[in-house]
Amino acid sequence: GAGVSQSPSNKVTEKGKDVELRCDPISGHTALYWYRQSLGQGLEFLIYFQGNSAPDKSGLPSDRFSAERTGGSVSTLTIQRTQQEDSAVYLCASSLSREGYNEQFFGPGTRLTVL
Amino acid sequence: ILNVEQSPQSLHVQEGDSTNFTCSFPSSNFYALHWYRWETAKSPEALFVMTLNGDEKKKGRISATLNTKEGYSYLYIKGSQPEDSATYLCAHSIYNQGGKLIFGQGTELSVKP
Repeated sequence: GAGVSQSPSNKVTEKGKDVELRCDPISGHTALYWYRQSLGQGLEFLIYFQGNSAPDKSGLPSDRFSAERTGGSVSTLTIQRTQQEDSAVYLCASSLSREGYNEQFFGPGTRLTVL
Repeated sequence: ILNVEQSPQSLHVQEGDSTNFTCSFPSSNFYALHWYRWETAKSPEALFVMTLNGDEKKKGRISATLNTKEGYSYLYIKGSQPEDSATYLCAHSIYNQGGKLIFGQGTELSVKP
């Protein structure tokens, strides 16, 4: 079956604009994760969903960041009033369940550039 | 150790060389240790997930070991090939925190023909 897909693959925006990043997980995967990699940094956890609920939002860097998941499937990560420090590659991953021993399957990422 | 640390940061080897990387992680509340390979312009791909102290896993020329008591894992590549060039990431999950992964900075491997 299809893997994890993300859109757009690239997004260039101006400082202060809002952006929406989309993730389509593998069908049947109940857990969905958002990570990001800023320049020179490692992959950083943002938020995860189990079904439509987000038990852990601890990695969201500010209240400008929000995410939702609907129908236990597609998720959108929204960044309001983007800043230059939001520039990063945003990766989505899904797994069968939220247990920490499950392999996570990653999408190709969205490269966000804030000018 | 509070964070996941990987060494070396980068490695340049010749085709046919064997190599190994180290991942150190906090041993308290350990749940699982993941290794991923991330090639340029591709998605990170899982290599191994290990949970038990003393675990050893192998996939082709790549193998990994796990020591949960002292908080480290080694990844070995035997007879490196140019197609092994990638960034190798390790990450751990924490007991009772779902599948949230804490990643190290990665080791960038370049294999020259």
